[in-house]
Amino acid sequence: QKEVEQNSGPLSVPEGAIASLNCTYSDRGSQSFFWYRQYSGKSPELIMSIYSNGDKEDGRFTAQLNKASQYVSLLIRDSQPSDSATYLCAVNIGSARQLTFGSGTQLTVLP
Amino acid sequence: GAVVSQHPSWVICKSGTSVKIECRSLDFQATTMFWYRQFPKQSLMLMATSNEGSKATYEQGVEKDKFLINHASLTLSTLTVTSAHPEDSSFYICSARGTLNSYEQYFGPGTRLTVT
Repeated sequence: QKEVEQNSGPLSVPEGAIASLNCTYSDRGSQSFFWYRQYSGKSPELIMSIYSNGDKEDGRFTAQLNKASQYVSLLIRDSQPSDSATYLCAVNIGSARQLTFGSGTQLTVLP
Repeated sequence: GAVVSQHPSWVICKSGTSVKIECRSLDFQATTMFWYRQFPKQSLMLMATSNEGSKATYEQGVEKDKFLINHASLTLSTLTVTSAHPEDSSFYICSARGTLNSYEQYFGPGTRLTVT
């Protein structure tokens, strides 16, 4: 079992729809969770961080965390073609000082 | 805030030569910097973790004598690819973690290396 798992996609949604991206992690002791967006040919960009159970909203983005289920998700409301990118879930695993990244979910928003 | 720069953004070199890539945290002090490599359509692969003033910790399978990492100050880390070969052609990305937040990592824009 991978430490951080994401559906690789590709995930396609029509413009204006809600895109839902999911991530599960293996370490029940993890405390810090992040979502990064990576456009093709570019480096990852931090878009959301979440540390407590529940929802955290920032503009059109909502991160959801459920530590009991070891599950974190990212919802993108009113999806735009400019949201088309690969979304990476990152979690602190164990005593490692670096984040562990999932393999990413490729999202395409169709105009 | 939390801006990380990399230089150069792209480089082409001949096989057998060495290339140095710089990573700088511009508006914060980075106690820890990370170096990643990413091949087209593949995931980020962590190469090494460097802490200011100490030796880098390399991931399994990464040759430390080939990929030399120096983190001489709280704002600068360098990666030198020695005796580069065409298979070293890749997208190299650094990230930095500040002193205040334990796990947030901020990425530089990346360096695209092509070895001919």
